[in-house]
Amino acid sequence: GAVVSQHPSWVICKSGTSVKIECRSLDFQATTMFWYRQFPKQSLMLMATSNEGSKATYEQGVEKDKFLINHASLTLSTLTVTSAHPEDSSFYICRGEGRNGYTFGSGTRLTVV
Amino acid sequence: AQSVTQPDIHITVSEGASLELRCNYSYGATPYLFWYVQSPGQGLQLLLKYFSGDTLVQGIKGFEAEFKRSQSSFNLRKPSVHWSDAAEYFCAVGAQEGGGNKLTFGTGTQLKVEL
Repeated sequence: GAVVSQHPSWVICKSGTSVKIECRSLDFQATTMFWYRQFPKQSLMLMATSNEGSKATYEQGVEKDKFLINHASLTLSTLTVTSAHPEDSSFYICRGEGRNGYTFGSGTRLTVV
Repeated sequence: AQSVTQPDIHITVSEGASLELRCNYSYGATPYLFWYVQSPGQGLQLLLKYFSGDTLVQGIKGFEAEFKRSQSSFNLRKPSVHWSDAAEYFCAVGAQEGGGNKLTFGTGTQLKVEL
């Protein structure tokens, strides 16, 4: 079945630094990648949608200059949290979708100290 | 815009008992509906989905769900719960947007299983 590999699974970083999260679709071409954020004991909230080769579409309230999304190929999409602050600490999870599959990555637990 | 309501934040059942998790959706057209399960600190696993056809959908791990258009519901059921079913369950509705299937999630139901 369709598999999306997400790395890292967890990361701790200092306030003010940037963190990159990668999602790779291993056995299908993810033409669309959705990025979600989940705060503790809350549901998943869509942050942005990206189509391969196009600029991402951000949901209302999500800062596009803070959460940089790159989807340059059909098998790789990245989310970079720039100048991270403690309030950015959350569980970030991607979902790849293509003609032959759609599935979530395993998520990244980001803690900003 | 689509929305999903999961009325029950927490549910506790005894092992071996039956289970029903409620989900109501709001969407103007025929919805794509999903149930996912999430264990603590883990990603999401798809239990089942409804796109069209038979309104009773069978999923993995013995789960099933029934789409009832008249009630805008997609409740998840399992006849006999196992201790390993304890987890967070999310219902989601999908809509085709921008080339992909944009999912909107409910707030989740935390299932506890008493031994």
